[in-house]
Amino acid sequence: GQQLNQSPQSMFIQEGEDVSMNCTSSSIFNTWLWYKQDPGEGPVLLIALYKAGELTSNGRLTAQFGITRKDSFLNISASIPSDVGIYFCAGPKRAGGTSYGKLTFGQGTILTVHP
Amino acid sequence: GAGVSQSPSNKVTEKGKDVELRCDPISGHTALYWYRQSLGQGLEFLIYFQGNSAPDKSGLPSDRFSAERTGGSVSTLTIQRTQQEDSAVYLCASSYQQGAELFGPGTRLTVL
Repeated sequence: GQQLNQSPQSMFIQEGEDVSMNCTSSSIFNTWLWYKQDPGEGPVLLIALYKAGELTSNGRLTAQFGITRKDSFLNISASIPSDVGIYFCAGPKRAGGTSYGKLTFGQGTILTVHP
Repeated sequence: GAGVSQSPSNKVTEKGKDVELRCDPISGHTALYWYRQSLGQGLEFLIYFQGNSAPDKSGLPSDRFSAERTGGSVSTLTIQRTQQEDSAVYLCASSYQQGAELFGPGTRLTVL
């Protein structure tokens, strides 16, 4: 099945710094999703991407759908302490699938923000 | 509330016992999903319900795992004869047919 490789595995940054993380796949995805998970909670959807090359922002978050359809990145600008958590990329489990459901998840990026 | 709810939030059981985990999806969502998250890991797909279609059970790790969804709403995930390797957080999500999945808070299962 498809594998999503997410990097870095963890990041330790100072408050105010910008953050970048990415996700790559050996298979084409037609949808990319980015989630954040706080301790003891379920993942919360941050950004959904539907089209190759698409660049979408949600507040201080920006995500892009790579033009090869095999990668995506998430940027967080001017980080704050509440950005702490685990960030996951995800895509439909079926290769090239455009529909949601049966998501494949990356391994996650653990973000720590020092005040 | 308007989100996906799951119960119990925590469950501790002894090896060999059966457990039932419950998920209440968002009202109006036709699709419901169960995932498992082991400590420090990403999410592993288990089973998917969409409307009245037969569920996609391709992610269930063994025949000890089963799930049903009654009336197109509430779902129950059942694990029979639990093993220690079943210890994990079990997450439920729901969505509209073509919508992004929204997750509940999860049930943390510990098998002693």
